[in-house]
Amino acid sequence: GAVVSQHPSRVICKSGTSVKIECRSLDFQATTMFWYRQFPKQSLMLMATSNEGSKATYEQGVEKDKFLINHASLTLSTLTVTSAHPEDSSFYICSAEGRADTQYFGPGTRLTVL
Amino acid sequence: DAKTTQPPSMDCAEGRAANLPCNHSTISGNEYVYWYRQIHSQGPQYIIHGLKNNETNEMASLIITEDRKSSTLILPHATLRDTAVYYCIVRVKGQGAQKLVFGQGTRLTINP
Repeated sequence: GAVVSQHPSRVICKSGTSVKIECRSLDFQATTMFWYRQFPKQSLMLMATSNEGSKATYEQGVEKDKFLINHASLTLSTLTVTSAHPEDSSFYICSAEGRADTQYFGPGTRLTVL
Repeated sequence: DAKTTQPPSMDCAEGRAANLPCNHSTISGNEYVYWYRQIHSQGPQYIIHGLKNNETNEMASLIITEDRKSSTLILPHATLRDTAVYYCIVRVKGQGAQKLVFGQGTRLTINP
């Protein structure tokens, strides 16, 4: 149990386009999901907290108009990187709180912007 | 900022026990110690967590000192597949979903 999936696992796009990443909790419901970003050889950095049915909470320095988050159901949160640029290339990871207040992470999405 | 301190890297021979230390000297009474690991290019994997008692599951054991200012994650018989970055994180439980603050972790290399 407590499986989190992400789609796609890898995406390459042209500069200026938008990319949507999905995060799903497969066997549990999650009112709160989290989005992290990880650059090469660095640790995970929290971008935003996604709340079902309400607006996301963004960490300082993260542009909410660039990284759009939608948490439309208890099992799905989406992150849309709008007008992507090469500096947005990164590993994006989501997590959801499951049983016993434990967070479970998705496998990550590798975004490359050309 | 992360509230934990870990050595940046460690090596261990395959088949031996890997002992990963973590300092969390400012831990609060209601904060738990969580351990995750991240294998290259994958999402973090939950390993174990505890409050003050030692804990064991099928993956590892967690030893927390009596003053709770430090802990040790023990992988009893390390294999090559245990090579990963291990993160020690403290957080409160029972107050809803809370963000995790990741430090730099310990890069554990298991050698054949």
